[in-house]
Amino acid sequence: GDSVTQMEGPVTLSEEAFLTINCTYTATGYPSLFWYVQYPGEGLQLLLKATKADDKGSNKGFEATYRKETTSFHLEKGSVQVSDSAVYFCALSDRVFGPGTRLSVLP
Amino acid sequence: EPEVTQTPSHQVTQMGQEVILRCVPISNHLYFYWYRQILGQKVEFLVSFYNNEISEKSEIFDDQFSVERPDGSNFTLKIRSTKLEDSAMYFCASSVQGLRVNTEAFFGQGTRLTVV
Repeated sequence: GDSVTQMEGPVTLSEEAFLTINCTYTATGYPSLFWYVQYPGEGLQLLLKATKADDKGSNKGFEATYRKETTSFHLEKGSVQVSDSAVYFCALSDRVFGPGTRLSVLP
Repeated sequence: EPEVTQTPSHQVTQMGQEVILRCVPISNHLYFYWYRQILGQKVEFLVSFYNNEISEKSEIFDDQFSVERPDGSNFTLKIRSTKLEDSAMYFCASSVQGLRVNTEAFFGQGTRLTVV
């Protein structure tokens, strides 16, 4: 069945560091891919999405490219801020979620 | 900006009691969903609902659970005879189209259910 694998956290970075959170998937067909963010004490918010191969989703400085050949959708940000501290979920067609990766950014 | 709203934000119930979690989806959305997230764990899909019937459900969604759209605006999740392991954050979501059609689901803030 469909599945999503994410790098395990927690990830701790200093402010302005480069962030990568790996996500790979297994699916039949051509699903849409999503990154959701969950800030402390809040619900899920869509961060970015890509609906087909080679699409790049971007928002708030975060980017992820839908790589069909490697079945990946890695999340990147060039310079993280303390306010980016949250849990990040990679998801497949909004139905299958990865386990989440907790990011802590230190000032 | 339209949003999905859930009530209550936190519900505490005794084991064995029934609870109803309420959601008001975005008004022009046609597809509705419930997910749950046990503390510190991943988000799990429970059920999707369209045209007044369940369109898909996961293994988690057993006879203990039911969903209903009692009127034109609310979408409820009922848990009969709650168990300790039902303690989780429950998220409601809605979308214009079905999720297989590459659309986006909008999530509510969640209801934290604590079973004691």
